[in-house]
Amino acid sequence: KAGVTQTPRYLIKTRGQQVTLSCSPISGHRSVSWYQQTPGQGLQFLFEYFSETQRNKGNFPGRFSGRQFSNSRSEMNVSTLELGDSALYLCASRHDRNTGELFFGEGSRLTVL
Amino acid sequence: QKEVEQNSGPLSVPEGAIASLNCTYSDRGSQSFFWYRQYSGKSPELIMFIYSNGDKEDGRFTAQLNKASQYVSLLIRDSQPSDSATYLCAAGDQAGTALIFGKGTTLSVSS
Repeated sequence: KAGVTQTPRYLIKTRGQQVTLSCSPISGHRSVSWYQQTPGQGLQFLFEYFSETQRNKGNFPGRFSGRQFSNSRSEMNVSTLELGDSALYLCASRHDRNTGELFFGEGSRLTVL
Repeated sequence: QKEVEQNSGPLSVPEGAIASLNCTYSDRGSQSFFWYRQYSGKSPELIMFIYSNGDKEDGRFTAQLNKASQYVSLLIRDSQPSDSATYLCAAGDQAGTALIFGKGTTLSVSS
């Protein structure tokens, strides 16, 4: 069974640009979450989608957005990039909305110059 | 602010010893608790989850939960050098849709 797949794995952007990251969950999983990991703040919750609806959102500015498609694949977008947005962005999926184990992808490492 | 606190370590144990990792959480509404292992440069890997008070064992790993004390622990028996990693404790929020992570404890197992 394939795991959570994230693309791209690495990317470099400059301040002010925008970026879109993609996530394909484990087959059959309907819940997709996004997390940001930085050395200083650790892993922080961005948002969670279930059946194409955002069900929960973390404490991040509106520059961070996401969506989920009917096939459960998800994208997140960060607009007007700042240096502090440099991080590992992790997508995770689970079978149901609020139960069961959460499985992470390998992440997309974003560097903002 | 809902928080999960962990000792950052490093926790150093010799090969074959028991490693004990602990965390506390602030949200009494949390119902689910998870331990993830993260090797340097890799993504978190789920080791254990626990929902009920008491102990849960899986191979060399035992998770313990005490909701009254808001305390979660992970014991690793017969520690191996391959267990050297950062261990992340996480608590599910009340809705169960988000995990609140601690900043992790670094474990080093020496051979």
